[in-house]
Amino acid sequence: EDQVTQSPEALRLQEGESSSLNCSYTVSGLRGLFWYRQDPGKGPEFLFTLYSAGEEKEKERLKATLTKKESFLHITAPKPEDSATYLCAVQEGYQKVTFGTGTKLQVIP
Amino acid sequence: SAVISQKPSRDICQRGTSLTIQCQVDSQVTMMFWYRQQPGQSLTLIATANQGSEATYESGFVIDKFPISRPNLTFSTLTVSNMSPEDSSIYLCSVEDPGRSSYNEQFFGPGTRLTVL
Repeated sequence: EDQVTQSPEALRLQEGESSSLNCSYTVSGLRGLFWYRQDPGKGPEFLFTLYSAGEEKEKERLKATLTKKESFLHITAPKPEDSATYLCAVQEGYQKVTFGTGTKLQVIP
Repeated sequence: SAVISQKPSRDICQRGTSLTIQCQVDSQVTMMFWYRQQPGQSLTLIATANQGSEATYESGFVIDKFPISRPNLTFSTLTVSNMSPEDSSIYLCSVEDPGRSSYNEQFFGPGTRLTVL
C-alpha cells in the first residue's frame, strides 16, 4: 500500500491562475511531511517541513498546509518560473523518508 | 544549506561494466543518503551511509550490486556493479542539513544520469 499519493499527476495553469496540489498520506505516526521542488535535470530542492495538523508555512507564492490525512501546496498567482515537479515526502517515526511520485506543474504565460 | 556536487553528471555505459559515482559536500555531515529515481517514478532510497560504519541498505538493494564507501564526513561513493539496462536511472545523493539534522530535511545533489546499453 502506497504511503504517499500525490494528485494530480500533472497540472497546467495560466499565469496568475491559483490552484492547489494534494498529497495524501497513510502513515500513523507522522514525524514530518516535506515538500520539494524538482526542476528538469536537477536534484530536488527543499521547500517546507510540516510537523503537525493545522500547521502552515509560506514562501513567496507557495503555502503548504497539513491535516491528519493530507497536505496541500497552494500556489497563488503562479508565474512561468514556478513550473517544476513538486514532490511530497513523509517520515513515519524514525523510519526512512518516503517520496510520492510528484505533480508536474506547467504555468503558461 | 549544504552545497553538494556529484560526478559524473551523466554517463553511458555498456552492460556488465561498473560505474562509481562520487558525492562531495562542502561541510561535514553525519548522514548521507543514496537514492535512485527512475523515469516517471518517485525517489527510492538505496542506502544510508554513515562515516565509520557499514552502509545500511533498503529492501531490494544489496551491497554486492551497490557497494558504498564513506571515507570521511564530506565524501561518499556509490558503485553500480555489473550493470544492466534496468539500472538506467538518475542516482542522487543527499544529506541532512548539518545545522538542523534533527528535522530530517534533506538536501540533494544534482544527480547522475546513467544510461546502460
